[in-house]
Amino acid sequence: TQLLEQSPQFLSIQEGENLTVYCNSSSVFSSLQWYRQEPGEGPVLLVTVVTGGEVKKLKRLTFQFGDARKDSSLHITAAQPGDTGLYLCAGAIRSGTSYGKLTFGQGTILTVHP
Amino acid sequence: DAGVIQSPRHEVTEMGQEVTLRCKPISGHDYLFWYRQTMMRGLELLIYFNNNVPIDDSGMPEDRFSAKMPNASFSTLKIQPSEPRDSAVYFCASSPYTGVLYGYTFGSGTRLTVV
Repeated sequence: TQLLEQSPQFLSIQEGENLTVYCNSSSVFSSLQWYRQEPGEGPVLLVTVVTGGEVKKLKRLTFQFGDARKDSSLHITAAQPGDTGLYLCAGAIRSGTSYGKLTFGQGTILTVHP
Repeated sequence: DAGVIQSPRHEVTEMGQEVTLRCKPISGHDYLFWYRQTMMRGLELLIYFNNNVPIDDSGMPEDRFSAKMPNASFSTLKIQPSEPRDSAVYFCASSPYTGVLYGYTFGSGTRLTVV
């Protein structure tokens, strides 16, 4: 069974601070995705990384896929209250009928105070 | 496109009653997923379909849960009989063939409360 562990589970910071969220596993993933979920809504895809060592940037968000494709990180620079939400990593292993099936981490609840 | 549409948004039912959750995926998406989210267990995959065919239902908790996809534009998740421990938010998501690379589009969920 794939297991994705996210840390920290909770993060409460002040506006303007930087933060990093981690997603780790003992499994090698074909791809890894990050989602953001707001209260009362479903998760929304932020980014997909597929190549070991890959780095993607989305405005103030930087995503990195580990060289061995077992881990990933999400770094937010100068956090804003609008960044508040639940951040989820999700990984997929391409293997027979498992193609297209994502396993989600438990999530990191981020609160950014004005 | 209106996105993935789920109904109802909220459902409150008594223990023992039948509950049916509905989902309309994005047109052209070949994969449909049903997830359940709770604080304790996070997002759990219950079942997924490819081209209307169930591929993996290993996440379905027990025989009280069943899911169908009679056509490409509609799916249901049924719980009969419902129990208080089924209380959760149920999400439907869809994706194109290469969904693993392009991500899933989730609906807004159905918050189920069984009393």
